[in-house]
Amino acid sequence: DTEVTQTPKHLVMGMTNKKSLKCEQHMGHRAMYWYKQKAKKPPELMFVYSYEKLSINESVPSRFSPECPNSSLLNLHLHALQPEDSALYLCASSQEGAGKRNTEAFFGQGTRLTVV
Amino acid sequence: RKEVEQDPGPFNVPEGATVAFNCTYSNSASQSFFWYRQDCRKEPKLLMSVYSSGNEDGRFTAQLNRASQYISLLIRDSKLSDSATYLCVVNMEVYGGSQGNLIFGKGTKLSVKP
Repeated sequence: DTEVTQTPKHLVMGMTNKKSLKCEQHMGHRAMYWYKQKAKKPPELMFVYSYEKLSINESVPSRFSPECPNSSLLNLHLHALQPEDSALYLCASSQEGAGKRNTEAFFGQGTRLTVV
Repeated sequence: RKEVEQDPGPFNVPEGATVAFNCTYSNSASQSFFWYRQDCRKEPKLLMSVYSSGNEDGRFTAQLNRASQYISLLIRDSKLSDSATYLCVVNMEVYGGSQGNLIFGKGTKLSVKP
């Protein structure tokens, strides 16, 4: 079983709704990530948090708003999404990479999001 | 040129076959290398890290050639349960040594048949 927990597992939302995806890990990892994965495509990076600070934002539209309340939690707030935003949203975590090689990331099971 | 390129697949092989996946990466500053496995509608799971000296884990052998910017994965005696998509993943550390961005290849689908 994954040590990265994501909720909810499935979410259907309308284009005017506001919802949040949640991610939690207790492995002491200080880097956390949000990825988006469309069907038959590889995961694409959205955001990286390092020590609770946003370090990478891959030009993601502002209708996606990440938040890292503490070292164990990562949220993704969603507002005014479009149907093309429907995808699997994956959270991952890894040890802080400074001075470390082979910092593999561990993924949660994902939230399957459908925007209607 | 894409940052991480993999064999397009799909690979359809009989049980017991040996299958090899290849991957090339474009950024010579890449620092860490991995193979992940992803089952249908599941999250990617780490299969193995790839070290310069090559490494083996049971039926799986991974190799890295930094000069050629090439990574490989060999699966021996393939099982039905090996059927999945195999993702080549490269991590380029951001300047300053902080954690970087995991760049995924498109994945190669493997189907092992009885």
